[in-house]
Order: sequence, then C-alpha cells, then structure tokens
Amino acid sequence: DQQVKQNSPSLSVQEGRISILNCDYTNSMFDYFLWYKKYPAEGPTFLISISSIKDKNEDGRFTVFLNKSAKHLSLHIVPSQPGDSAVYFCAASRNFGNEKLTFGTGTRLTIIP
Amino acid sequence: DSGVTQTPKHLITATGQRVTLRCSPRSGDLSVYWYQQSLDQGLQFLIQYYNGEERAKGNILERFSAQQFPDLHSELNLSSLELGDSALYFCASSVGRGQPQHFGDGTRLSIL
Repeated sequence: DQQVKQNSPSLSVQEGRISILNCDYTNSMFDYFLWYKKYPAEGPTFLISISSIKDKNEDGRFTVFLNKSAKHLSLHIVPSQPGDSAVYFCAASRNFGNEKLTFGTGTRLTIIP
Repeated sequence: DSGVTQTPKHLITATGQRVTLRCSPRSGDLSVYWYQQSLDQGLQFLIQYYNGEERAKGNILERFSAQQFPDLHSELNLSSLELGDSALYFCASSVGRGQPQHFGDGTRLSIL
C-alpha cells in the first residue's frame, strides 16, 4: 500500500523557470510533511517541511503548499538553477514528525541550462 | 554535512555472513531511525530508537536487529545475509516533534 505517491518519475525544466513537484498521500493521520533532495551516493538532504496546521511554508527559493482536503502537497522552486538537478523525495509522518517517515518513490528533476 | 555519520560507506560480503552498520547521530538528537533503500525502491523504515529504547518497528526482518548505546550511537546488525539484502542502509536522527530527520550518507551493502 503506497501511502505517499509521486506520480511523475521525472521532470525537466528550463533554468530560471519554476519547477513544481507534486505529491499525494492517502493516510489522513499524517500531519507533518517534508521534501528531501538526493544526489547519487549521498543521503537525502532536508529541504523544507510543513505541518498540517499550515497550508504554505517558504524558505528562500523553495515553497511547499499543502492542500489537506485533496491530500496533496507540492514543492515550488523559483527560479530553478542547474544545481537543483537531483531526485526529490516527498515524505510524511505522524505525531508532527516524531515517528517514522513514509517516502514517495521520488521525482528526478533535470534543469536544462 | 548533515552531522549524521555512518560507517562503513561500502560493505561487500557473502551470503550467510553477518555485518554491523554503525551510525552516530547529530549532537543532541535522541532519536535514531534506520531505513533501507533497495534497487528502484523508495526508502523503507526499519526501526526507531529513542534515548536507548526501541520506539517503533517497521518492515524489519527477524534476521536484522539494532540497538542504541548510552552515547546515543546506534548499530544495525544483519545476519544470515541473502542476496536480496543488498541495498543502501540509511540512518537518520532528529530532535523530536516538529523537527526534520537528518540523514547520513548511507552504507552500501553488496552481497555476493
């Protein structure tokens, strides 16, 4: 049972434009959501998180939006830079992050110079 | 640098053997989590420790065990290894509620 889904395995975006990565979840008990970026041969790097009491969180070029009624979250990267090329994982947790993370299968983002 | 240290980075061994993976969490983090990433799979939760006590278990095989020591480092022990155990094993640590988990760079285990 895939409780966190990233339906786009890959995404290509022109440098300078907006990258939008999407994630859907099915478990209504999830209350804390995170995005991680992963390069080959490295561990996931935390990017940004949001708790279920908010619908938007912003950190520099990264913004995460949460739509609880649709059980959907998205990560916006503006403007996209070549260094953003990586695999992005969406993750969800209960108890405001004090429990295990359930991960999506990832989206490979390629920024085209 | 996440502050989470995993050793060794690579491990090559044979079926039937036993290995130990080590994780040092970030300073001040009491929770340690172990995850497995097999080929073309997402990260799957194995087990969580909090301040030396087992807190939660995921899809961890009976051949696998873990512990967290008084200095908060953790070890994941894998025994009677099978070809299917070949994977990346990640350790993560966190302070607690409302804070993200930070991951180490993983141990790549290859079973020949």
